[in-house]
Amino acid sequence: NAGVTQTPKFRILKIGQSMTLQCTQDMNHNYMYWYRQDPGMGLKLIYYSVGAGITDKGEVPNGYNVSRSTTEDFPLRLELAAPSQTSVYFCASSYPGQGPQYFGPGTRLTVL
Amino acid sequence: AQTVTQSQPEMSVQEAETVTLSCTYDTSESDYYLFWYKQPPSRQMILVIRQEAYKQQNATENRFSVNFQKAAKSFSLKISDSQLGDAAMYFCGWGSRLTFGEGTQLTVNP
Repeated sequence: NAGVTQTPKFRILKIGQSMTLQCTQDMNHNYMYWYRQDPGMGLKLIYYSVGAGITDKGEVPNGYNVSRSTTEDFPLRLELAAPSQTSVYFCASSYPGQGPQYFGPGTRLTVL
Repeated sequence: AQTVTQSQPEMSVQEAETVTLSCTYDTSESDYYLFWYKQPPSRQMILVIRQEAYKQQNATENRFSVNFQKAAKSFSLKISDSQLGDAAMYFCGWGSRLTFGEGTQLTVNP
C-alpha cells in the first residue's frame, strides 16, 4: 500500500513553460486535494475533488488546472509557469467528510 | 473568512519535558474537525492528532493530547515527555478542506 505518490520530486521550469504534476493514491479515497506551501508558510488549498469528474477551486486556483478522470489520479496542470508559482506542492486524499487527509511527499518546483 | 492562527512562530523544549503549542481558529460552523500535523525536515506531512468539535472529550494519542475549548475557538497541542524526534514544524488545521495556520517550529534540546 503506497498511499499517496507524487511525481516528480523536483523540477525546474523556465517562465512560460507548462508542466503536469502527477498524483496517485491507492487507498480508494473519494476526496483528493492539491496544496502549495511557500517558504516559511502553511499550506494553501489550490483545487480539490470529491470524486471522478468533479473538481472545485480552493483558495489559490489562479494559474492552475486540474482534472479527475479516475478515483486514483488527480493531476495538477501549470499552463504558463511564473516565478510566483515557485513552491512545494502537496497532494492529499481522504474519505468523504472530515476525515484526516493523507499527504504525498511533495514536489519542489522552481520557476526561473 | 475561516482563519487559523498560530501565535508562536518558534518554541523550544528540553528533552523529556512538556510543551504546549497554541492554535486559535474562526468559524461559524458548529460541527467540524480540527487537526495537528507535523512536518519534519523531510517535509512529509504527518497527522499527529484529530479532534471532533461535537466531542467534549479532548483527544489523546500517546504523548500527544489537545486542549479543545470550543467556545473560545482554541485548540492547543500538548507534547509530553518530549523526544528529539518531535522536532519539526507543527501545523494546526481546520475543516474538511484544511485551512492551516502558519506553523510553529519546535526545537527539542538534548
